[in-house]
Amino acid sequence: DVKVTQSSRYLVKRTGEKVFLECVQDMDHENMFWYRQDPGLGLRLIYFSYDVKMKEKGDIPEGYSVSREKKERFSLILESASTNQTSMYLCASRRTGMFTDTQYFGPGTRLTVL
Amino acid sequence: SQKIEQNSEALNIQEGKTATLTCNYTNYSPAYLQWYRQDPGRGPVFLLLIRENEKEKRKERLKVTFDTTLKQSLFHITASQPADSATYLCALSNFGNEKLTFGTGTRLTIIP
Repeated sequence: DVKVTQSSRYLVKRTGEKVFLECVQDMDHENMFWYRQDPGLGLRLIYFSYDVKMKEKGDIPEGYSVSREKKERFSLILESASTNQTSMYLCASRRTGMFTDTQYFGPGTRLTVL
Repeated sequence: SQKIEQNSEALNIQEGKTATLTCNYTNYSPAYLQWYRQDPGRGPVFLLLIRENEKEKRKERLKVTFDTTLKQSLFHITASQPADSATYLCALSNFGNEKLTFGTGTRLTIIP
């Protein structure tokens, strides 16, 4: 059974803190994605990675960075958390080269920045 | 800019009836359209994919249509059940593009 796991389901941080969100997949997928989901705005792509150490900006990369040192792990970093980064963060993965393939999502991390 | 709209934020349907959800898009020529289901507090789960050259796809009680002229997809759940209550998301992608663009979703409630 395919699996995408995220390090925390709920996280509370203070403004200015550095925040790490971790995502691990066990499907040997090349592509991994970070989204945030907000009411009325839907899922918005922050960053994605198509290979180890490779990354591309999504639609809303400002205030975020990512790291992919190993194929199975993709980290999202908030360098200095702000209240407008309070959101649900979702990680996903998929195989490359198979455009009919779906994305597999993790359970999400609900981040609150105070 | 590209835009995806799902017909309504919320839809209430009587149990046993057919639920129909709409996904409209503009400034986009997608090669594929996907539908996902999302339960509260969980990540989306894939349901169906339809290609631009397909008119209709079925899976058990689910049916998806794709009209590239109208720039619209319809998602039907027949013989709806309370367990079908969830938020349904449509998502589009192009050839050679690993990214999906998602709609904002429709929250479906099946009333017993």
